[in-house]
Amino acid sequence: SQKIEQNSEALNIQEGKTATLTCNYTNYSPAYLQWYRQDPGRGPVFLLLIRENEKEKRKERLKVTFDTTLKQSLFHITASQPADSATYLCALVTDSWGKLQFGSGTQVVVTP
Amino acid sequence: SAVISQKPSRDICQRGTSLTIQCQVDSQVTMMFWYRQQPGQSLTLIATANQGSEATYESGFVIDKFPISRPNLTFSTLTVSNMSPEDSSIYLCSVELDRGRSETQYFGPGTRLLVL
Repeated sequence: SQKIEQNSEALNIQEGKTATLTCNYTNYSPAYLQWYRQDPGRGPVFLLLIRENEKEKRKERLKVTFDTTLKQSLFHITASQPADSATYLCALVTDSWGKLQFGSGTQVVVTP
Repeated sequence: SAVISQKPSRDICQRGTSLTIQCQVDSQVTMMFWYRQQPGQSLTLIATANQGSEATYESGFVIDKFPISRPNLTFSTLTVSNMSPEDSSIYLCSVELDRGRSETQYFGPGTRLLVL
């Protein structure tokens, strides 16, 4: 069966350090993968998209890698700030209409 | 980008009743999606709603329980019918603006539903 796994344990990190989140999947061959941020009581907000033929994508302090052989994506927040505290979700596209399958999310807590 | 609003933002309902959730977008979109997010869980896709066609439901979700309307390109409703406490969840709609050029989905703020 298809599965998307993110670390369910909260990631506690000190301000200024790099947070690294993992998204592993099985029985998928996604054309692209997305990362979203979700704050309590809010809907997810799109952060980055990486395609299957891309190894790495950057946006400001965010970096995403995509290894289709390992079936894994890594999401990095560099120089983390308390405002980065949120839950981060990875999502894989599952068909040509854009249907997304979401992972369970990893909560990040950045302390000053 | 897109601005999406949902009504109501939250509600408390009695079991056996139905609630209709509205999703309004500030621009015309082809693809609209309805998700459920149960407490502490991730998002689960309920159905895809395209204007001019019947909604497509995911495994485990049926039209009788979650009827969807999509009367135009900026609006959709999801009804949660004959509710039970297990339906307590956050319901979110999302849209994709321009399939083929941008695969970003924009989400509404969600509707928090508690069924007693």
